[in-house]
Amino acid sequence: DSGVTQTPKHLITATGQRVTLRCSPRSGDLSVYWYQQSLDQGLQFLIQYYNGEERAKGNILERFSAQQFPDLHSELNLSSLELGDSALYFCASSVGTTKETQYFGPGTRLLVL
Amino acid sequence: GQQLNQSPQSMFIQEGEDVSMNCTSSSIFNTWLWYKQDPGEGPVLLIALYKAGELTSNGRLTAQFGITRKDSFLNISASIPSDVGIYFCAGQLTSGTYKYIFGTGTRLKVLA
Repeated sequence: DSGVTQTPKHLITATGQRVTLRCSPRSGDLSVYWYQQSLDQGLQFLIQYYNGEERAKGNILERFSAQQFPDLHSELNLSSLELGDSALYFCASSVGTTKETQYFGPGTRLLVL
Repeated sequence: GQQLNQSPQSMFIQEGEDVSMNCTSSSIFNTWLWYKQDPGEGPVLLIALYKAGELTSNGRLTAQFGITRKDSFLNISASIPSDVGIYFCAGQLTSGTYKYIFGTGTRLKVLA
């Protein structure tokens, strides 16, 4: 158990809908990272937050957004969902922002029908 | 954008054999991480490397941070069935955003 929690574990929705994925980092970690993993693909970095502020952006679509709250949990919002958005979404956390090891949550499996 | 080439893509080995995999890039990294991912689970950190030339072991696993800072290697000795899974390397860039780039993974299957 990495100490990072994600909810829900599974999510099934329809195209055009909007969903919110939630992540709670390990106790003491200030950074949260979001990744997308499509079938048989590697991990694609989406976005990073540090202590409530956006720190780095990766290949995140404009339909996706994220935020980190004062209690350091983070939410990833996916809107106008398309079939191709079906994937595993992982959250990871680390203590700081540089040269820090990231610990991953169990992921949320999203299926868009 | 930056890419990490991870090889091999997949491999079947006999139980007891040693395994080697590597990641290479045209970019320079200041940190290398190796993760293992079981089906339906999140990646679990195996080894972290922070200095060029560093050689670090974790049980039967040994990883090295390449001298050029553009590559890293992971070796598994005397493989066992529970080594099955996907192994990912991740490199942290030296410049800009410090984000991690992940390799595409090596899928390992161990034949008992």
